[in-house]
Amino acid sequence: SQTIHQWPATLVQPVGSPLSLECTVEGTSNPNLYWYRQAAGRGLQLLFYSVGIGQISSEVPQNLSASRPQDRQFILSSKKLLLSDSGFYLCAWSAGTSSYNEQFFGPGTRLTVL
Amino acid sequence: SQQGEEDPQALSIQEGENATMNCSYKTSINNLQWYRQNSGRGLVHLILIRSNEREKHSGRLRVTLDTSKKSSSLLITASRAADTASYFCATDVRGSSYKLIFGSGTRLLVRP
Repeated sequence: SQTIHQWPATLVQPVGSPLSLECTVEGTSNPNLYWYRQAAGRGLQLLFYSVGIGQISSEVPQNLSASRPQDRQFILSSKKLLLSDSGFYLCAWSAGTSSYNEQFFGPGTRLTVL
Repeated sequence: SQQGEEDPQALSIQEGENATMNCSYKTSINNLQWYRQNSGRGLVHLILIRSNEREKHSGRLRVTLDTSKKSSSLLITASRAADTASYFCATDVRGSSYKLIFGSGTRLLVRP
């Protein structure tokens, strides 16, 4: 069966520090991968998605970047964090062959920028 | 702006009662999905309804879709305390096989 991992689960970082969040998927090949951010009590904002290694689509211009160095690995990065980068970050995958794009989410990373 | 908007934003009911949540969207869709999120956790896919379907059932869940009104409803029957969570609708984006747009969610509290 497929599983998706995210780490770390929680992170507290000072303003101006770098960021690296990692997401890996097991049990499937060539998944579509997604990074979302969720503000407290709000819906999900799509940040990036990837349909293959090295292919990244950015949805919102911001202080963040994403990379996909391997088929089942998706990384969210920042060179210098801002206070506004605080939030709950969720990674998700969907089957590349699916017509309906049902997405499966990781447990999330709670990021607090101080 | 959000494609899907849920209504109500929050709902509090007694265990055993039914819970109904609504979702409205703005553009044509191929399908609509409902997800559940327990506090501080990731989302879990509940059910998908295609644009040519009007109603779908899964256990205690019943989803309807009215494409003429661009709206959907999620009904949870005989609610349990364990159903306490936030519920989100998500719509696909015509022209993109990859993107979903999520609403802001309905927070459901089921009181024991």
